[in-house]
Amino acid sequence: GAVVSQHPSRVICKSGTSVKIECRSLDFQATTMFWYRQFPKQSLMLMATSNEGSKATYEQGVEKDKFLINHASLTLSTLTVTSAHPEDSSFYICSASRSPVLNTEAFFGQGTRLTVV
Amino acid sequence: GNSVTQMEGPVTLSEEAFLTINCTYTATGYPSLFWYVQYPGEGLQLLLKATKADDKGSNKGFEATYRKETTSFHLEKGSVQVSDSAVYFCALSVSGNQFYFGTGTSLTVIP
Repeated sequence: GAVVSQHPSRVICKSGTSVKIECRSLDFQATTMFWYRQFPKQSLMLMATSNEGSKATYEQGVEKDKFLINHASLTLSTLTVTSAHPEDSSFYICSASRSPVLNTEAFFGQGTRLTVV
Repeated sequence: GNSVTQMEGPVTLSEEAFLTINCTYTATGYPSLFWYVQYPGEGLQLLLKATKADDKGSNKGFEATYRKETTSFHLEKGSVQVSDSAVYFCALSVSGNQFYFGTGTSLTVIP
């Protein structure tokens, strides 16, 4: 089946530094990928929609300059948390679906646990 | 708008007990409905899905029926195991493959 790989699974960084998270679709092309954030004991909240070859669409309240998204190819989207602070510590997870079928299963990456110290 | 309301946890059951996790939704259009499971330290995995009214999704002994009249998609399992301990998320998708998730229900099954 389709697999989405996310890397790294865990990262600890110092406050003020930037962290890049990769999301790859391994056996299918994904023109659209989604980035979610999950706070402890809460649900996944959509941060942004990553579109191949164009700018990402951010949800209300998400700082586009802080969470940089690049979808440079049909199999790779990256999320860069810039100038990270402790409040950015969270679980970040990406998803992708086969295109162009709608309402199909979304495949999720393994998630990235970011800890900013 | 689109939203999912899910039974709050945590839920603790003894092995072989019956499980129900309630999920209701509101949606514009005709959503597909999903249950995802998240084991400790891992990402989300699709458990089951239903794409239209009256469809029943099933997998690993879990079942959920898409009820349009009650806008519900309750998850059930007749006999839970310790290995079912995880967080369960109800979700819907209307278009563009964007998903809306419930808050998740933590299940702990004790021997």
